[in-house]
Amino acid sequence: AQSVTQLDSHVSVSEGTPVLLRCNYSSSYSPSLFWYVQHPNKGLQLLLKYTSAATLVKGINGFEAEFKKSETSFHLTKPSAHMSDAAEYFCVVSPYSGGGADGLTFGKGTHLIIQP
Amino acid sequence: DVKVTQSSRYLVKRTGEKVFLECVQDMDHENMFWYRQDPGLGLRLIYFSYDVKMKEKGDIPEGYSVSREKKERFSLILESASTNQTSMYLCASSLEPGAGNQPQHFGDGTRLSIL
Repeated sequence: AQSVTQLDSHVSVSEGTPVLLRCNYSSSYSPSLFWYVQHPNKGLQLLLKYTSAATLVKGINGFEAEFKKSETSFHLTKPSAHMSDAAEYFCVVSPYSGGGADGLTFGKGTHLIIQP
Repeated sequence: DVKVTQSSRYLVKRTGEKVFLECVQDMDHENMFWYRQDPGLGLRLIYFSYDVKMKEKGDIPEGYSVSREKKERFSLILESASTNQTSMYLCASSLEPGAGNQPQHFGDGTRLSIL
């Protein structure tokens, strides 16, 4: 069984300040982990993914995430927020099964608000 | 570039109607998925398919069915629409092997209202 918990439903930061979106997971396997972003009235876009290679993963638009097995965390960070970062962010976990089409578990999302 | 297209952005239907939501991908992906997204509940998997004419139930299949007659097209069917099926519906596709190390690519969603 697996689960994912996004610790904050809303995060508000000022433009130009750092962003931290927190995600904790549980999985019976060595998981694959993803962060997706959803802008208003749009589908989900992949930001980055971790699949058991380097623990620090760099994604698009200056975002990165660090896989910490001891803390079962996969927090998303960005050094300096931009107004265009305002969106909903989803942390996603999957067992590293290597086959089959199922198994993704989505967090409930964190709404990122950027103050001017 | 990767493209998943959902036929309608907004749809309004009446209770009891049979509703079809269409999704097409142009990436030759084996796997296709249908989710619904509701405030506070995140995304929930309805059905998925890993090959033509194959389908598997997700977490909330009740009241829905699917059809995959061609590799690029995956249809979601509401057999008899009810008001509790008012939601945002998202289609996605991915390559094999599996969801474990292949990201899913999403369409822009269909916002369905059942009156």
